Amino acid sequence: KAGVTQTPRYLIKTRGQQVTLSCSPISGHRSVSWYQQTPGQGLQFLFEYFSETQRNKGNFPGRFSGRQFSNSRSEMNVSTLELGDSALYLCASSLVGLAGGLSYNEQFFGPGTRLTVL
Amino acid sequence: LAKTTQPISMDSYEGQEVNITCSHNNIATNDYITWYQQFPSQGPRFIIQGYKTKVTNEVASLFIPADRKSSTLSLPRVSLSDTAVYYCLSVNTNAGKSTFGDGTTLTVKP
Repeated sequence: KAGVTQTPRYLIKTRGQQVTLSCSPISGHRSVSWYQQTPGQGLQFLFEYFSETQRNKGNFPGRFSGRQFSNSRSEMNVSTLELGDSALYLCASSLVGLAGGLSYNEQFFGPGTRLTVL
Repeated sequence: LAKTTQPISMDSYEGQEVNITCSHNNIATNDYITWYQQFPSQGPRFIIQGYKTKVTNEVASLFIPADRKSSTLSLPRVSLSDTAVYYCLSVNTNAGKSTFGDGTTLTVKP
């Protein structure tokens, strides 16, 4: 079974631009979560999508948004890029996601997209 | 969400058992504890998860005491390839959110 794929793997943008990152989950997985990883802040939860609906959101400004398509593929968009947005953006898929009162459902992470903002 | 605290780094030698402890302040009833391993330029990889007492799989054991305010990941007989960053993760299944610890860099020496 193919793993989680993220495109592009590397991206360089300048301040003020916007960027769209893509994530294809494992076949059959309906939940996609996004994380930001930086040396200073570590791994931080951005949001989770399940069946095309944003189910949960972390503490990030509105410049960070996302969506999920009917095939469970997800995109994350960051508008008006700032230098501090430089990070590794990780996508993780799971069968049913984190919520619902169920025991934790294992997340499978992709290799990430390395975004550099100049 | 529960805040997780873990040591920044640890050193070990091949063949030794390694125990990494994570503290979970304000852990909630619906929080599950999970540990991930991450190598450079890769996404984290699931190791083990639990709620209370002891859980064991083919690669590690997880000990969670009755008060659930800490957890200990135990790696038996580590090898050089176990050199990685290990993250303790608290997942609130009610809120559907997760909180990663800052990670422990484990260095295994020959």
